[in-house]
Amino acid sequence: NAGVTQTPKFRILKIGQSMTLQCTQDMNHNYMYWYRQDPGMGLKLIYYSVGAGITDKGEVPNGYNVSRSTTEDFPLRLELAAPSQTSVYFCASSHPRGHYSNQPQHFGDGTRLSIL
Amino acid sequence: TQLLEQSPQFLSIQEGENLTVYCNSSSVFSSLQWYRQEPGEGPVLLVTVVTGGEVKKLKRLTFQFGDARKDSSLHITAAQPGDTGLYLCAGEEKKSSGDKLTFGTGTRLAVRP
Repeated sequence: NAGVTQTPKFRILKIGQSMTLQCTQDMNHNYMYWYRQDPGMGLKLIYYSVGAGITDKGEVPNGYNVSRSTTEDFPLRLELAAPSQTSVYFCASSHPRGHYSNQPQHFGDGTRLSIL
Repeated sequence: TQLLEQSPQFLSIQEGENLTVYCNSSSVFSSLQWYRQEPGEGPVLLVTVVTGGEVKKLKRLTFQFGDARKDSSLHITAAQPGDTGLYLCAGEEKKSSGDKLTFGTGTRLAVRP
């Protein structure tokens, strides 16, 4: 299993450009998440999805959009890139947590995005 | 929004020393997870604590969940250079809309040989 795969690993964008960060997982996980991590900080949740066709906002959704047409894929789109969106973006996936079991989130290696 | 504060933010110690990292919140979580993140990689789960007062050991690492399930600590005995990394605590909320993690601010640990 490859786990969670994110592409690209690095990208530089100009202000106002758009792009899609790709995330795919091969573990048949229902839950998928997008986080951003600013230098020296923890992770902030942007959007998450509990299954195909269902998405929900996290803590910092402004400026981003997501879709979940399949279980495997959860792309994150930036429509009008702004310098404040310079960050490292992590995608994660997990099984739903049962009442007595706790499933870890499995993370990709991140996409480092710079907006100039 | 629930907040998780970690302390200290940065820690630089000599190999062989002991250290404790704290994770505090005013909110109650259903469980708390600890992750370690190395440069250029995503976080990797170390442990999950579920019950108030629970203590879990992972080799030289000891994790404790507070009795009220609002705080946690990570103690490392005889730190080694391989322990260097960013340590993140994350509190879990179980909601009908989906399970979510709230991540702490992180503790960056450097262990000098």
